[in-house]
Amino acid sequence: AQSVTQLGSHVSVSEGALVLLRCNYSSSVPPYLFWYVQYPNQGLQLLLKYTSAATLVKGINGFEAEFKKSETSFHLTKPSAHMSDAAEYFCAVGNQGGKLIFGQGTELSVKP
Amino acid sequence: DAGITQSPRHKVTETGTPVTLRCHQTENHRYMYWYRQDPGHGLRLIHYSYGVKDTDKGEVSDGYSVSRSKTEDFLLTLESATSSQTSVYFCAISEQGGVGNTIYFGEGSWLTVV
Repeated sequence: AQSVTQLGSHVSVSEGALVLLRCNYSSSVPPYLFWYVQYPNQGLQLLLKYTSAATLVKGINGFEAEFKKSETSFHLTKPSAHMSDAAEYFCAVGNQGGKLIFGQGTELSVKP
Repeated sequence: DAGITQSPRHKVTETGTPVTLRCHQTENHRYMYWYRQDPGHGLRLIHYSYGVKDTDKGEVSDGYSVSRSKTEDFLLTLESATSSQTSVYFCAISEQGGVGNTIYFGEGSWLTVV
């Protein structure tokens, strides 16, 4: 069975600091992996997705994620945090029927 | 933004009453999904549809039913609402059902069962 684990339910960084949100997956087949962002009281917006074309995936708003098969990881990074990055971030793995299996989510806070 | 409209956006209902949430899309996508979001659980799939009148259960389907009589509409019904069904409900759509296809989400429906 496929699953996703996000390490840390809450991450706090200072403005301008590196953002690192951790995601590990379990899958018996080559995975398709996604990162979504949710701003307060809104729906989920796709940040980026991995579909095996390249291990380093660039997304919107300066975010990127690197697929590491040996570590079963797909961590999300951004070199310099902005106040507007404060949101909840979800990692997910694709399943048959177009379904997604989500991690528990990580809330990112950005301090001025 | 994907053309997904959820209604109602906010609802408070009493235990034991039936509740129907509606999802309407203008993208003509074949696949539609209902997820619920709860703290510490991320989003979990309730039901999904892969075509008109074609639906299947997800991870947390107990206490919920769905119907899809038209491509654009996907209804989620709580037959007899319970406090454990207090949650935020998200409708989502996808053009195809492949594993790597992008799923687009609506704005959510906040449901409180008192």
